[in-house]
Amino acid sequence: DAGITQSPRHKVTETGTPVTLRCHQTENHRYMYWYRQDPGHGLRLIHYSYGVKDTDKGEVSDGYSVSRSKTEDFLLTLESATSSQTSVYFCGTSTSSYEQYFGPGTRLTVT
Amino acid sequence: AQSVTQLGSHVSVSEGALVLLRCNYSSSVPPYLFWYVQYPNQGLQLLLKYTSAATLVKGINGFEAEFKKSETSFHLTKPSAHMSDAAEYFCAVRTYSGGGADGLTFGKGTHLIIQP
Repeated sequence: DAGITQSPRHKVTETGTPVTLRCHQTENHRYMYWYRQDPGHGLRLIHYSYGVKDTDKGEVSDGYSVSRSKTEDFLLTLESATSSQTSVYFCGTSTSSYEQYFGPGTRLTVT
Repeated sequence: AQSVTQLGSHVSVSEGALVLLRCNYSSSVPPYLFWYVQYPNQGLQLLLKYTSAATLVKGINGFEAEFKKSETSFHLTKPSAHMSDAAEYFCAVRTYSGGGADGLTFGKGTHLIIQP
């Protein structure tokens, strides 16, 4: 499996505060993804990146922004967290073979 | 657009019995299909993938899946369930974004319960 780490692994924050989640990979994979997992919904794509500084929106991008300044790092930012953004967030990476590898997840609670 | 439907949010089988988890897909282009497994409080692990080669795909832990275009299905099977197979299973289809980074569209998941 690709070496993918996510930080923090758990976070509790208050409504209205900014939050940044980090994904770091050591496999030099070109493509990176952010998903959220909610009960009854499976995983849904938030944003993705196809290279340094190249990003685009996924299915559920409202309220989220991303940045990728280095191949190995992909940041997800909630500018002003809301309770609806309480979720488990997974980072994924892939090569051109399309199969994705996933990090361990970040459990975010917005109170 | 691509979509995935997993039939049955919970499936319960006895240890040693056949495991069958159902997945149907919709895709406007030839699909790439995947099964992932998620153990409690962990990330997703790839079980197997179909990428237009052999229609019967073998994966890890004794699982296999058969791609049936006529039925738009990609069901996951294992001949004999083991207690360690208890987990959440997700079927996914490659989503063509046009931007070069094709994401995955996931089904809602099936929770597999193994009865002793």
